[in-house]
Amino acid sequence: AQSVAQPEDQVNVAEGNPLTVKCTYSVSGNPYLFWYVQYPNRGLQFLLKYITGDNLVKGSYGFEAEFNKSQTSFHLKKPSALVSDSALYFCAVKRGSQGNLIFGKGTKLSVKP
Amino acid sequence: DAGVIQSPRHEVTEMGQEVTLRCKPISGHNSLFWYRQTMMRGLELLIYFNNNVPIDDSGMPEDRFSAKMPNASFSTLKIQPSEPRDSAVYFCASRGSGGWSETQYFGPGTRLLVL
Repeated sequence: AQSVAQPEDQVNVAEGNPLTVKCTYSVSGNPYLFWYVQYPNRGLQFLLKYITGDNLVKGSYGFEAEFNKSQTSFHLKKPSALVSDSALYFCAVKRGSQGNLIFGKGTKLSVKP
Repeated sequence: DAGVIQSPRHEVTEMGQEVTLRCKPISGHNSLFWYRQTMMRGLELLIYFNNNVPIDDSGMPEDRFSAKMPNASFSTLKIQPSEPRDSAVYFCASRGSGGWSETQYFGPGTRLLVL
């Protein structure tokens, strides 16, 4: 069965430092992986996705994610965190041929000045 | 593009009342999803339509919940009768016709409080 895990409920980072939000997945066949961000009282916004090709995917707001097939991971990264990056981040994996997404529980990112 | 539109944005109702949530997907998108988000359960898929046809409703909690998509530009999620445990944020999302690699885009959500 397809699943996705975000092992950290919260990540705390100082502004200007690099950040990583972790995601691991379990899926049969080729994985299709997504990252979304949710700001308070807002809907989920698409950040980036991996379908095929280069393992390093670049997305919105300076975020990137690295697909690692051997470790079944798709960690979200940013070289220099901003206070405005503070939000809830969701990793998702495509479920089956229908393309439904299974979401992780979310990781709250807190960037302090 | 206006994005996915949901109404109302906030709804407060009393237990036992009927609640109807509305969604207008992005024009040209042929798949529509209803999700529920709570602190306890996170983000849950309730039902998924493709070309206006319900494909997977296994996430619908019980018979009190029903969803319709009468045309490509409108969907409703109805709760009747509502209960306090239905309090949550309900999101609608739509996806284009490019297939499984297409991205889902979410609406702003409806925050429902059942007293």
